Amino acid sequence: DVKVTQSSRYLVKRTGEKVFLECVQDMDHENMFWYRQDPGLGLRLIYFSYDVKMKEKGDIPEGYSVSREKKERFSLILESASTNQTSMYLCASSLWARGLKNTEAFFGQGTRLTVV
Amino acid sequence: DAKTTQPNSMESNEEEPVHLPCNHSTISGTDYIHWYRQLPSQGPEYVIHGLTSNVNNRMASLAIAEDRKSSTLILHRATLRDAAVYYCILAVYNQGGKLIFGQGTELSVKP
Repeated sequence: DVKVTQSSRYLVKRTGEKVFLECVQDMDHENMFWYRQDPGLGLRLIYFSYDVKMKEKGDIPEGYSVSREKKERFSLILESASTNQTSMYLCASSLWARGLKNTEAFFGQGTRLTVV
Repeated sequence: DAKTTQPNSMESNEEEPVHLPCNHSTISGTDYIHWYRQLPSQGPEYVIHGLTSNVNNRMASLAIAEDRKSSTLILHRATLRDAAVYYCILAVYNQGGKLIFGQGTELSVKP
């Protein structure tokens, strides 16, 4: 019954490493999202993709990039990990088709990343 | 970007109704209103969404003001398992359905 899968629940990386967080959805959704969640700050949107190879910056894109080569997979890349990127990262997907009824978003379980 | 405003926290007694308010004064005519909740150590889960009319499902009801600048999530009988952070979110129509989260309301339920 799993719909949105994030590749790791916990990751520990060193400062300066290149980090890949992977997210896969099996619902053929157009939209995919990456958020980070920090205590007291709620969920903040990093990047949003509305189609294959299409992406849009969210509120906090600095230090991150994304890749969406296939519809089902959306990757978040930390080019050079820093300690201030220690956080919980959440991936989500949703169906969005203009003229059709909007549907709910499904979230993965999250990846807790620690950068040391 | 369209934003929502919610109280930081609310308390409820078990088996009593709970009304969680949300203001979204900058909503546009085609933005959908979504509610999600997040239990500890889990990703957010969908609760309900709507556009203009009030909506009911097995989990909750959504009451949308006539001018659409505010909405209320109604849990008809709170249980201890409903203790969570509840997020009111807009799906922004002219940005492809982008979901923008607010700070959320932390609901505690007392036995």
